[in-house]
Amino acid sequence: LAKTTQPISMDSYEGQEVNITCSHNNIATNDYITWYQQFPSQGPRFIIQGYKTKVTNEVASLFIPADRKSSTLSLPRVSLSDTAVYYCLVGDMVTGGGNKLTFGTGTQLKVEL
Amino acid sequence: DAGITQSPRHKVTETGTPVTLRCHQTENHRYMYWYRQDPGHGLRLIHYSYGVKDTDKGEVSDGYSVSRSKTEDFLLTLESATSSQTSVYFCATSLGQGADTQYFGPGTRLTVL
Repeated sequence: LAKTTQPISMDSYEGQEVNITCSHNNIATNDYITWYQQFPSQGPRFIIQGYKTKVTNEVASLFIPADRKSSTLSLPRVSLSDTAVYYCLVGDMVTGGGNKLTFGTGTQLKVEL
Repeated sequence: DAGITQSPRHKVTETGTPVTLRCHQTENHRYMYWYRQDPGHGLRLIHYSYGVKDTDKGEVSDGYSVSRSKTEDFLLTLESATSSQTSVYFCATSLGQGADTQYFGPGTRLTVL
């Protein structure tokens, strides 16, 4: 089971790009990297998932270096509404079911004017 | 997002009483999960289900039981509630296993006095 480490908190200002890095030194060959976002009083919501190199969707980009021991979630031009907790998860798509995923404590992103 | 509802949304109960939380989904997802979320601990998996009548323990299963008699419903039971089970409980579903995208319900805030 891959353990993840991410910063407890980050601060930013509106319009800036925010990069949140997650380390996962013991990632396995079949593991994918997934990021979730959680607003207060709501359940987490899927943002993006990747296996290697770079993935981009309408809300974020995910950068994964060749050794896959870390990953960086990039949020372009953040706004106040991006203030939330961001979770990095590592797990495979083939085996194990739910008990292979660990959400951890996440990174609290605070965006100010 | 998947149609996931949880009931009740809020509950206050006394120590020693049984409590059942219900999760209902309309997406026909095979996998369902129960998490609890506490300050400083992030989300922790309690139990999960990989099909009707098929369940398994998660990270923090002591004091909890689950049942899944049909695809759309996953019940979490606290046989004898304790104050340490005061928490926010989230249900989630996924179409596939492992790292496949999980869709979360709105949560149930449980207070055990």
